[in-house]
Amino acid sequence: AQSVSQHNHHVILSEAASLELGCNYSYGGTVNLFWYVQYPGQHLQLLLKYFSGDPLVKGIKGFEAEFIKSKFSFNLRKPSVQWSDTAEYFCAVMALSGNTPLVFGKGTRLSVIA
Amino acid sequence: SAVISQKPSRDICQRGTSLTIQCQVDSQVTMMFWYRQQPGQSLTLIATANQGSEATYESGFVIDKFPISRPNLTFSTLTVSNMSPEDSSIYLCSVEGGSWADTQYFGPGTRLTVL
Repeated sequence: AQSVSQHNHHVILSEAASLELGCNYSYGGTVNLFWYVQYPGQHLQLLLKYFSGDPLVKGIKGFEAEFIKSKFSFNLRKPSVQWSDTAEYFCAVMALSGNTPLVFGKGTRLSVIA
Repeated sequence: SAVISQKPSRDICQRGTSLTIQCQVDSQVTMMFWYRQQPGQSLTLIATANQGSEATYESGFVIDKFPISRPNLTFSTLTVSNMSPEDSSIYLCSVEGGSWADTQYFGPGTRLTVL
């Protein structure tokens, strides 16, 4: 069964620092990849997704993610974080073969301090 | 993105009782899903709600505990039956299809506390 690993449980950054959140998955076939964000008190929102094509995808609010197939990774990045980026970030993977569900990582809590 | 609403937004229930959560979408979608997010944990898929047929449950979840209905393409319910404190969680519905193919969008969730 596929699994998703997010190595950082809690990340604390100062405003304007650069961000990279790791995401690795275990599945050898073709996948669709997603990052979702959950701001405090709000519901889960789609940040960006990768289906095919350019492995560097850009999402909302200045976020981007790079799919590296050889490393089974889909890391999320932002060059300069803001206090409003404080949230929980979830990586999710869906295998395209078979009737497989969307599998989520455990999430990374990002705290941005002024 | 889809506009998805859930009722109730939160509830506090006594053990042994049941709670039915509703999920409404503002347009027709192919797929509807129910997830559980336990405190400090990630999302776990409970089941896929199939329109016109029985829901498809993931390993560890059974129909007797989590009966699901999906009478049409815009509405589904999840019942948490015979609740215990271990059922305290956030329950979310998500949708896929229609105008939003290959991507799941999530409702605001229902925060359930079982005493």
